[in-house]
Amino acid sequence: KNQVEQSPQSLIILEGKNCTLQCNYTVSPFSNLRWYKQDTGRGPVSLTIMTFSENTKSNGRYTATLDADTKQSSLHITASQLSDSASYICVVNSKAAGNKLTFGGGTRVLVKP
Amino acid sequence: KAGVTQTPRYLIKTRGQQVTLSCSPISGHRSVSWYQQTPGQGLQFLFEYFSETQRNKGNFPGRFSGRQFSNSRSEMNVSTLELGDSALYLCASSLVVREASGLYNEQFFGPGTRLTVL
Repeated sequence: KNQVEQSPQSLIILEGKNCTLQCNYTVSPFSNLRWYKQDTGRGPVSLTIMTFSENTKSNGRYTATLDADTKQSSLHITASQLSDSASYICVVNSKAAGNKLTFGGGTRVLVKP
Repeated sequence: KAGVTQTPRYLIKTRGQQVTLSCSPISGHRSVSWYQQTPGQGLQFLFEYFSETQRNKGNFPGRFSGRQFSNSRSEMNVSTLELGDSALYLCASSLVVREASGLYNEQFFGPGTRLTVL
């Protein structure tokens, strides 16, 4: 069964600190992996999209890594800001079955001043 | 370009009623997908429409249905509402984008409709 597991479920960090979110998946065959940021009461916004050939990709203070062999991805947030408080969702796209997306449960990040 | 718009933003219904939610995709986008988001289940795929045809469908009962019009606008209908249908319903329109590593179907989400069933 295709699954995407994210950890931790939630975390609290102080403004200016770094943090790393994890995503493990069993989706096969793999097409690409996306990280989304979802602010409270809003729809998700894409941060990065990565294929199996990409190991790392950055978008400002957000850096995503992908290990297609171990089927793991991480999202690193550098020098966190209050505006980083949101849910971060890992989504894996499978080439099979019409390119359906499998969503992780998300990690809720709270940045405190 | 304007983003994906969804109406209404908030809705309160009672059990047994039906509801219709509307989604207007970004201009030029022909694919529209619908998702249900709840605290316990996360984001779950409902269905996808492309050029007025349902292209993909998730594992939801027949009470959930949708359609797409010739202008790519889409509606989602839920009949005989149950308490468990309370959720944030998200619509996403998509476009094929080209990056260095290939072509991707990039999704752009709307703000969602918050449905509460009493």
